[in-house]
Amino acid sequence: QKEVEQDPGPLSVPEGAIVSLNCTYSNSAFQYFMWYRQYSRKGPELLMYTYSSGNKEDGRFTAQVDKSSKYISLFIRDSQPSDSATYLCAMKGGETSGSRLTFGEGTQLTVNP
Amino acid sequence: NAGVTQTPKFQVLKTGQSMTLQCAQDMNHNSMYWYRQDPGMGLRLIYYSASEGTTDKGEVPNGYNVSRLNKREFSLRLESAAPSQTSVYFCASSSDRGRLEQYFGPGTRLTVT
Repeated sequence: QKEVEQDPGPLSVPEGAIVSLNCTYSNSAFQYFMWYRQYSRKGPELLMYTYSSGNKEDGRFTAQVDKSSKYISLFIRDSQPSDSATYLCAMKGGETSGSRLTFGEGTQLTVNP
Repeated sequence: NAGVTQTPKFQVLKTGQSMTLQCAQDMNHNSMYWYRQDPGMGLRLIYYSASEGTTDKGEVPNGYNVSRLNKREFSLRLESAAPSQTSVYFCASSSDRGRLEQYFGPGTRLTVT
């Protein structure tokens, strides 16, 4: 069983919709939770991260972590065609765990104008 | 700043051939990584290097070797390519402080026939 599970989609929504992307995980040692965005034929780029449980907002993007359920989410408000990309969740243990990240499979999102 | 660069961008190999994928970063980062990305499997860590002169195995190291030539460069070698190594390979780097943010190169698309 994978440590991080993510529905690969594809997910297709109309412009302006609210998008919800999710990951579940099994490793209780994960402390840092990240979302990377990957445009077609490019490398991933860090979108945002949260530490432990709670919410974090950055413009139209909100990241949510529920450690009790081992479940993380990324919400995109007022989605735009430029948000069309693959979104990968990534996770890391505490400070003593080094710099290795564990990635989900990625969810392919298309926002239609 | 070029960030993380990778060569070549595309490569086709026959089974049994060898090749080296090159990666360089100009951000003075200590840590560097090699990943492969496959449909249904996401990003998987092959090898990483926490600092110049050190390398460690990741999740899928079999069939690969690496060299941390200096602080800037981290190469990945396939000694005897197999069709199972057909994939997109990404190099990434991160600083000691910003370990959550890994900066990715544009990728190398490798096909082994």
